[in-house]
Amino acid sequence: QVQLLQSGPGLVKPSQTLSLTCAISGDSVSRSSAAWNWIRQSPSRGLEWLGRTYYGSQWYYDYAESVKSRITIKPDTAKNQFSLQLTSVTPEDTAVYYCVRDSPRKGSDFWGQGTLVTVSS
Amino acid sequence: DIVMTQSPDSLAVSLGEKATINCKSSQSVLYSSNNENFLAWYQQKAGQPPKLLIYWASTRESGVPDRFTGSGSGTDFTLTISSLQAEDVAIYYCQQYYSVPRTFGQGTKVEIK
Repeated sequence: QVQLLQSGPGLVKPSQTLSLTCAISGDSVSRSSAAWNWIRQSPSRGLEWLGRTYYGSQWYYDYAESVKSRITIKPDTAKNQFSLQLTSVTPEDTAVYYCVRDSPRKGSDFWGQGTLVTVSS
Repeated sequence: DIVMTQSPDSLAVSLGEKATINCKSSQSVLYSSNNENFLAWYQQKAGQPPKLLIYWASTRESGVPDRFTGSGSGTDFTLTISSLQAEDVAIYYCQQYYSVPRTFGQGTKVEIK
């Protein structure tokens, strides 16, 4: 059974960088038929897909236009995990952040436990 | 981007009665090469992440009770709970995974009348 375990701080100051990590068990970050996503959820924006990485002879990355200039998703094959960095955060980035496995057949089939990240001084 | 619109925003149904949630996509999510609709339904209970219920518009995920049924094709989809149970109180979301960015409906809150 696939499990995704998130870690990272729950409080980030405005203008700083939000950093979260998602450790994968039961699957491999470099398996070619899966994509590894970050999705966030807030009352004002609902469920918002932020981006993904996946491996297919090379690493690929897709990012939402709304955060494209500020986001980096990185795989770490040695630790079998992937990470999210979101720079220059504002209070509007306050949300519950989820790491999610995406399969071509089923969509978002496994979710991390969620991390509430609050942007506040 | 594909816009997903759900209706209604909320509904209250008596225990044992049927609940119906609709989802409309702004463009077709039917993939012609395999004739499958890249549409999923999720259930989210308070304090938990969303849980996959239905994929390919009508295929139940393993372990999901058969009172949950997905239907529809192209741009119009429905999730039906045939006989509402107390444990079905949740918010339900549709999602298209036909293209990026992945997009979700705004959610439908299901309560007991």
